[in-house]
Amino acid sequence: DAGITQSPRYKITETGRQVTLMCHQTWSHSYMFWYRQDLGHGLRLIYYSAAADITDKGEVPDGYVVSRSKTENFPLTLESATRSQTSVYFCASSPGKETQYFGPGTRLLVL
Amino acid sequence: QKEVEQNSGPLSVPEGAIASLNCTYSDRGSQSFFWYRQYSGKSPELIMFIYSNGDKEDGRFTAQLNKASQYVSLLIRDSQPSDSATYLCAAHNYGQNFVFGPGTRLSVLP
Repeated sequence: DAGITQSPRYKITETGRQVTLMCHQTWSHSYMFWYRQDLGHGLRLIYYSAAADITDKGEVPDGYVVSRSKTENFPLTLESATRSQTSVYFCASSPGKETQYFGPGTRLLVL
Repeated sequence: QKEVEQNSGPLSVPEGAIASLNCTYSDRGSQSFFWYRQYSGKSPELIMFIYSNGDKEDGRFTAQLNKASQYVSLLIRDSQPSDSATYLCAAHNYGQNFVFGPGTRLSVLP
């Protein structure tokens, strides 16, 4: 099916572990984004990518790493998970850095 | 720090009434504005966007923009219980990233 998907949808991990959240889109959109959503903070941009092999930091990048070797994939890695990274993570894509379309989200719990 | 502010609500309106959701933004360079609807436990979905001062209508939804006052609003006519959700306002300054507000929770009472 066309669209934007995220995996896993739910993840429980422990402090200090590495976690990778996957994002895949079939629209061939140039831009892809990672946000986290926390109560009281709304959506905050972690990283974004304008094209394959081009990534840039957003508002809250510390503790996260991204890569984009293919246009359709944009994985987000938490190198050493902390409790403060417990959140809902949304991936989004856009044909031109506007009108973003969101994936279903990944709920991450760090114990 | 560029900010988008919204009243967190909840905003409660009776079924059939007009719901009015408001948003202010701090970055005068913002040029496009977006309204997303987010049901509980779901991802945001785009309702509409507006670039020019004035009103833009799409079905039961009307977005209003006043750049001089740095104010954006969303009106929902004939509100339905299915409109109950959190509404996110976002501002975009070309060349920079979206800034989202914290959202306003709308409750439409049958």
